[in-house]
Amino acid sequence: AQKVTQAQTEISVVEKEDVTLDCVYETRDTTYYLFWYKQPPSGELVFLIRRNSFDEQNEISGRYSWNFQKSTSSFNFTITASQVVDSAVYFCALSEVNTGGFKTIFGAGTRLFVKA
Amino acid sequence: DVKVTQSSRYLVKRTGEKVFLECVQDMDHENMFWYRQDPGLGLRLIYFSYDVKMKEKGDIPEGYSVSREKKERFSLILESASTNQTSMYLCASRSPQVTYEQYFGPGTRLTVT
Repeated sequence: AQKVTQAQTEISVVEKEDVTLDCVYETRDTTYYLFWYKQPPSGELVFLIRRNSFDEQNEISGRYSWNFQKSTSSFNFTITASQVVDSAVYFCALSEVNTGGFKTIFGAGTRLFVKA
Repeated sequence: DVKVTQSSRYLVKRTGEKVFLECVQDMDHENMFWYRQDPGLGLRLIYFSYDVKMKEKGDIPEGYSVSREKKERFSLILESASTNQTSMYLCASRSPQVTYEQYFGPGTRLTVT
């Protein structure tokens, strides 16, 4: 069965600090996608990144970076030099290709507070 | 940009009422989804539709039904609202031929009293 664990319920940092959000997943499928979404206070989930199971290259986009390690079944998300606008709930998610990706499993989310 | 809209941001209903939540997307996406979001539980899939008039149960379909008569519109129906259906409801869509990620609406916060 597929499962996504975000062990950190809440994280509080001061602006300009770096912060890493952890995500550990479980799946029996060999082909799958991993995602990160951001949910700001307005409520709408915003897609941040997609990674497929065959691509373990780390990715950097501005202050955001993602570290995918199949050996530890982890897909961690780092924000460098955090800003108040980064305050949100962040969700990690998993879709198995053999189900057509219809049943995406979301983690419980990590609420990030960035204080000025 | 993909736009997914939901009919209400906030809704208050009484126990036993029939409730309709509407979702519309403007990107001609084949697949549409309804989730509920509860603290500590993340998002849980209620129903999804892979095409017009096609629907499948998700992980928590009990007490809900859906309707998809047109490609752009996906409705969630609470046949007889109960207090344990108080939650945030999120609609999403995607085009699987393009990508697997989903695009979400702003959510409807439903309170059943």
